[in-house]
Amino acid sequence: DTVLTQSPALAVSPGERVTISCRASESVSTLMHWYQQKPGQQPTLLIYLASNLESGVPARFSGSGSGTDFTLTIDPVEADDTATYYCQQSWNDPRTFGGGTKLELK
Amino acid sequence: EVKLVESGGGLVQPGRSLKLSCAASGFSFNDYWMGWVRQAPGKGLEWIGEINQDSSTINYTPSLKDKFTISRDNAQNTLYLQMSKLGSEDTAIYYCARDGGRACYFDYWGQGVMVTVSS
Repeated sequence: DTVLTQSPALAVSPGERVTISCRASESVSTLMHWYQQKPGQQPTLLIYLASNLESGVPARFSGSGSGTDFTLTIDPVEADDTATYYCQQSWNDPRTFGGGTKLELK
Repeated sequence: EVKLVESGGGLVQPGRSLKLSCAASGFSFNDYWMGWVRQAPGKGLEWIGEINQDSSTINYTPSLKDKFTISRDNAQNTLYLQMSKLGSEDTAIYYCARDGGRACYFDYWGQGVMVTVSS
């Protein structure tokens, strides 16, 4: 299976720029997607196909990368962005998720 | 408005079976791949599997392939997850989700249903 590795947690101050990384154990081309999950809620799609912003998602969110290294950027971070962020690949079978990065606001 | 509503969860004894349902509305159900994802308490997301529009292609994560069966009824706009030989490791919130990009990514998720496996 393709293993997606994310940093467990990050803490930033409102107004700052934050980058959340996701590294794949093998190439996933650009079939990488990002989700946000707030406590007690279902995940929501933020970015699909590495860099495409899902409809309704604020332009503060952006994605980049290809192959094995991907980044989700939030700029500027707002208090409402407190959540866990997951990457997911769909290039290789089975589809897999990263372990999630918990973003906390200082 | 796209809505996905899971049902059928609850407390089940180890070794027993359970079938979850996901009622879809607000979109043309038979035009989309659909999938299931689960999340154990305090843990991350785990992709279970997906099914295409006419049920001719069903993909599973290998570790669950012999225990779980995904199906759908396009006439009823409903997705199913049949789970068998349940163990404590299957305790989780189960989400159904719509695939927005042809077996690619999930653009809509249900609110989830809790399954607890315990004696």
